[in-house]
Amino acid sequence: DTGVSQDPRHKITKRGQNVTFRCDPISEHNRLYWYRQTLGQGPEFLTYFQNEAQLEKSRLLSDRFSAERPKGSFSTLEIQRTEQGDSAMYLCASSLAGAGRNTEAFFGQGTRLTVV
Amino acid sequence: LAKTTQPISMDSYEGQEVNITCSHNNIATNDYITWYQQFPSQGPRFIIQGYKTKVTNEVASLFIPADRKSSTLSLPRVSLSDTAVYYCLVGDYGGATNKLIFGTGTLLAVQP
Repeated sequence: DTGVSQDPRHKITKRGQNVTFRCDPISEHNRLYWYRQTLGQGPEFLTYFQNEAQLEKSRLLSDRFSAERPKGSFSTLEIQRTEQGDSAMYLCASSLAGAGRNTEAFFGQGTRLTVV
Repeated sequence: LAKTTQPISMDSYEGQEVNITCSHNNIATNDYITWYQQFPSQGPRFIIQGYKTKVTNEVASLFIPADRKSSTLSLPRVSLSDTAVYYCLVGDYGGATNKLIFGTGTLLAVQP
């Protein structure tokens, strides 16, 4: 396994269009996170999964955003009716977590979204 | 989740040791302290994690005083390639408090 993979690396879309990003985590990792990052800011938490269950979603996330991890493996993040303010780097991370275990999260290279 | 405070930026020269301090006054008993490094247009990369005292790996050292209200990331003999943003995170990542919450980080600029 070569790490967390995100696809596509870059996406340019017109305002109002829907976009979907994919994340393939490290295979044995049970946790998967999505973050959004804009220039000059740290990554902002969006949501995370434990296996296939979406356990938390940021209150900052509008209803236009949805994420799935159907079989507890890869995950998709969809943004509906994109707005220019959605332009950002979308990062995915995975980790192997459980009670009494603190392990590092591995991040993908991100998907850079530009809404024009 | 414990909030962290770290300097916005630091400057250094090649070959120097750099120490970046992070404050986390309300750290919880089960919380670990983790540092990440991020280069432009890349995802953050784990550097080091610790709970108390001192942790050292091939990249850095992490010093945590007894009260755990702060921590210091030490980078020995930095090079130009260490120019990056460094984030300090605090949390019980294996347990219920599972989000990785990033602040704005410390931009380290290494000069020749």
